[in-house]
Amino acid sequence: DGGITQSPKYLFRKEGQNVTLSCEQNLNHDAMYWYRQDPGQGLRLIYYSQIVNDFQKGDIAEGYSVSREKKESFPLTVTSAQKNPTAFYLCASNNGGQQNIQYFGAGTRLSVL
Amino acid sequence: SQKIEQNSEALNIQEGKTATLTCNYTNYSPAYLQWYRQDPGRGPVFLLLIRENEKEKRKERLKVTFDTTLKQSLFHITASQPADSATYLCALHNQAGTALIFGKGTTLSVSS
Repeated sequence: DGGITQSPKYLFRKEGQNVTLSCEQNLNHDAMYWYRQDPGQGLRLIYYSQIVNDFQKGDIAEGYSVSREKKESFPLTVTSAQKNPTAFYLCASNNGGQQNIQYFGAGTRLSVL
Repeated sequence: SQKIEQNSEALNIQEGKTATLTCNYTNYSPAYLQWYRQDPGRGPVFLLLIRENEKEKRKERLKVTFDTTLKQSLFHITASQPADSATYLCALHNQAGTALIFGKGTTLSVSS
């Protein structure tokens, strides 16, 4: 099955801890994205990458970091600098077409202990 | 900056009626506008895309219109069913064309 796999589904973070959310795709897509969704809010863009070894900050990048060492993988690290990390995190990809139709994973729900 | 507004957070209708959801945008003239469906605890799923030169697009019971003068898109579900209950998000490109900007969504509840 082709698609985007996010893991884990649920994640708990202790104060001062960095945690990494995994996102893997086997769609052979060039571009990948991380969004954060809070209750009653739309999706807000954290980081995106249009090609391997390159990525750009989105609207709310502070307290987060990413890497793009492989086309298939775009992990997101929520650092201790992110003071309000509790949210639903969504990873997406698209094939780089002009229309930018995005395919999403099932999400990771992060909570603070 | 670009802004998208979906003007109602929640919409409740009876089964069989037509649901109409609204998406307004400002400060931008997108070439495309997209609609997604999101079920609770799941990622959004792409439904339809409409281009700026298309007035209307249909897919089964779904219809989307795009009025670039009003800067508005309407999303219709005809003969609605309880299974249509979900949150519907509209999205358009940022001006650089590198990412999507999403509205907050409208949560549709269809009662039988």
